[in-house]
Amino acid sequence: DVKVTQSSRYLVKRTGEKVFLECVQDMDHENMFWYRQDPGLGLRLIYFSYDVKMKEKGDIPEGYSVSREKKERFSLILESASTNQTSMYLCATLVRASTGELFFGEGSRLTVL
Amino acid sequence: DQQVKQNSPSLSVQEGRISILNCDYTNSMFDYFLWYKKYPAEGPTFLISISSIKDKNEDGRFTVFLNKSAKHLSLHIVPSQPGDSAVYFCAASDNTGNQFYFGTGTSLTVIP
Repeated sequence: DVKVTQSSRYLVKRTGEKVFLECVQDMDHENMFWYRQDPGLGLRLIYFSYDVKMKEKGDIPEGYSVSREKKERFSLILESASTNQTSMYLCATLVRASTGELFFGEGSRLTVL
Repeated sequence: DQQVKQNSPSLSVQEGRISILNCDYTNSMFDYFLWYKKYPAEGPTFLISISSIKDKNEDGRFTVFLNKSAKHLSLHIVPSQPGDSAVYFCAASDNTGNQFYFGTGTSLTVIP
């Protein structure tokens, strides 16, 4: 079974703090993704990576950066958190390229005060 | 510009009846269409998919229909159960393995 583990389920941070969200997958998949989910807006892609040290911007990359030093780990970084980054963050890996099926982690609920 | 749209934010259905969730898309080049189910405070889980070359796919109580001429797909759940209460996201993928387009979700409530 695929496993995608997100390091923190719930975080509370203050405006201006640096935030790290980590995601680890155990199936040697190449493609990994970071989404945020907000009510009424669905899932919006922040960044994705198709290989170690490779990254591509998604639809809403502003205010975020990512790191993929090892194949199994894809980190999302908020350099200086702001209140409008309060959201549910979802990491995913591509489990079936032929159909585009993604497997998601359980999510990280971030609140920025 | 939203390429995948779910125009109904919410839907309520009696237990045992059919739930129909709808989704529209704009890009005729999409390869696959998928439905995901999401419970609160959890990540979405894959439910069912359909290839663009098919018009129907069935898996137990779940059936997805694709109408390419109308650029419309729907998810039918029958019979609906209280455990089906969740947010359902429609998604579309191209053949790159990197681009996925999600709708805004429909919150389904199945009333016992």
